[in-house]
Amino acid sequence: GDSVTQMEGPVTLSEEAFLTINCTYTATGYPSLFWYVQYPGEGLQLLLKATKADDKGSNKGFEATYRKETTSFHLEKGSVQVSDSAVYFCALTSNRDDKIIFGKGTRLHILP
Amino acid sequence: GAVVSQHPSRVICKSGTSVKIECRSLDFQATTMFWYRQFPKKSLMLMATSNEGSKATYEQGVEKDKFLINHASLTLSTLTVTSAHPEDSSFYICSAPDNTDTQYFGPGTRLTVL
Repeated sequence: GDSVTQMEGPVTLSEEAFLTINCTYTATGYPSLFWYVQYPGEGLQLLLKATKADDKGSNKGFEATYRKETTSFHLEKGSVQVSDSAVYFCALTSNRDDKIIFGKGTRLHILP
Repeated sequence: GAVVSQHPSRVICKSGTSVKIECRSLDFQATTMFWYRQFPKKSLMLMATSNEGSKATYEQGVEKDKFLINHASLTLSTLTVTSAHPEDSSFYICSAPDNTDTQYFGPGTRLTVL
């Protein structure tokens, strides 16, 4: 079945460091890909998405490119801030149904 | 943008009682809604798919008689945890896709069963 694998955390970085959180997926057809973020004490929020190959999603300085050849959707940010500390979930929805499948989440700690 | 609300945001109940959680799509219609459970420091687990006008579809291992789901309208789904026990304590989240298949999540309901 469809699945999402993302790098395990926690990931700890200093402020202004470069961030990459890896995400790969397995799916039939052409899924849509998402990154969700969960800040402490809050629910999940959509961070960015890409719906077809080579699309790049971006928001709040974060970017991820839908790479069908490597079945990846890695999340990147050039310079992280303390306020980026959160749990990040990679996810997909297949085009067969609306069911969303999440990765396990990656906890990110940014140190000042 | 699209918004999904949940009510209540937090509930504490005694063991053996039932608790109802509502999930509403505020500015779009959703024929399908999803219910998730999040254990502390772990990933979300899909519990069931709520379908407007028909029975919910439960994931393997989820007791349908314990977690009753009703999708009464295109903007409301309810999850009732029946005869709750302490092991049911968790964070319950719903989501609903809009017509672009983007999932919007409710803020979650934290259930504590004493």
